[in-house]
Parts: sequence; C-alpha cells; structure tokens
Amino acid sequence: SAVISQKPSRDICQRGTSLTIQCQVDSQVTMMFWYRQQPGQSLTLIATANQGSEATYESGFVIDKFPISRPNLTFSTLTVSNMSPEDSSIYLCSAGGSGNTIYFGEGSWLTVV
Amino acid sequence: GDSVTQMEGPVTLSEEAFLTINCTYTATGYPSLFWYVQYPGEGLQLLLKATKADDKGSNKGFEATYRKETTSFHLEKGSVQVSDSAVYFCALSDNGGSQGNLIFGKGTKLSVKP
Repeated sequence: SAVISQKPSRDICQRGTSLTIQCQVDSQVTMMFWYRQQPGQSLTLIATANQGSEATYESGFVIDKFPISRPNLTFSTLTVSNMSPEDSSIYLCSAGGSGNTIYFGEGSWLTVV
Repeated sequence: GDSVTQMEGPVTLSEEAFLTINCTYTATGYPSLFWYVQYPGEGLQLLLKATKADDKGSNKGFEATYRKETTSFHLEKGSVQVSDSAVYFCALSDNGGSQGNLIFGKGTKLSVKP
C-alpha cells in the first residue's frame, strides 16, 4: 500500500486569501490526483498531476483557481486561490499504489469564513 | 461517459443486521471496482476492491462481487456493528487501476444503532 500524508489537516481561512495544501507519498508514483469533496457530497476530481508536465484539469476547474505543482515523483501541492465560502470543502490527494489500487491521504478540511 | 450509481441513503440498521448497499456502473471497458469508506471526520480508506469479472473483494467482514453481467458491485456484510457507521463510496477506475483516476458514486451513509 501507499502512505499519503497531507498538510494541513484542517484550516480556517479568510475570504480572499489563498492556501497551499501539500501531499507527500512514501513511494514514487507517476500520477497524483486532487479531489474535492464538498459538504455532504461525493468526490469530484479536480486535476491529475504528472511529474514534469502541467496538470490536467477536469471540466469546471481552472489553473488560475487551483494551481498545482508536481516537482518530483513523491510530492505535489494544490493551491486554492482567492477563496470564498463556496470553497469550503475537503481536499484529498490520491496516488496509485501496488495491486491496481488508488490510495488517499487523510484529507485537508478547509473552512472559508 | 463512465458512471457509478449507488443506493440513496441514509441507511439505518440495528446492530447485527444484514447490510446490502447496491452499486451499479456503466463503463466502456473493463474497469476495476472499489468500495471506499469514510468514517466521521476522517478521509477515505480503501475497504475492498475487485479488478475483473467474478472477483470477490473482502475485508473486515464486508464482501462485494464483480458482476459483469449485471454491471454491479453490491456491498454486503452479514452482521453490522456500531463501528461500521460511516459513509460508503462505490467507485470505478477505467484506466488500469493505479494509473487512473476514480469515478465515485454519491455515497451511502450508514448508521448502525446499538
């Protein structure tokens, strides 16, 4: 299995500010994924992050709002820019592990006030 | 496109009751199928998986069988416990499992009463 660590685990943010979430995997992985889970909802893929190339964003998500970095094969960051209360969500990082399985970090719970 | 449909919740059961959470999928290829569990205040944990037709995934007393003919992956447990109270997500991956992203169902909230 893959162990995925996220920071921060929780934060309360002021409207209009930006926050960067870090994701660390305990092994090298080709692709990492960022998901959003709005309150009481399922998970929605934000983007796929490959090392050495720009992230690929899903419909409804744009780089200016959710810039992503992937500097190496074990680390990625997601920034939530110019936050509004609608951005209050759990943001989850995931990556592939052994045995055709995708593992998740514990999530970063953001509240925008 | 690919999609996952799971039964609406919430589901409320008494301890030791039998649990079934239905999940069906549509996919163009041969996806891998997963059940993830989210306990209150926590992130997602993989519960079980199946990567090909007729595979049975099992973990912690939960089981699900990959049924290609009915495009289903229903989650079952013979005797639930209070500690099983959580939200359960069915998901599929259509890009080779660990290299692909996941498509999730909407989640089913399970509450088990003592």
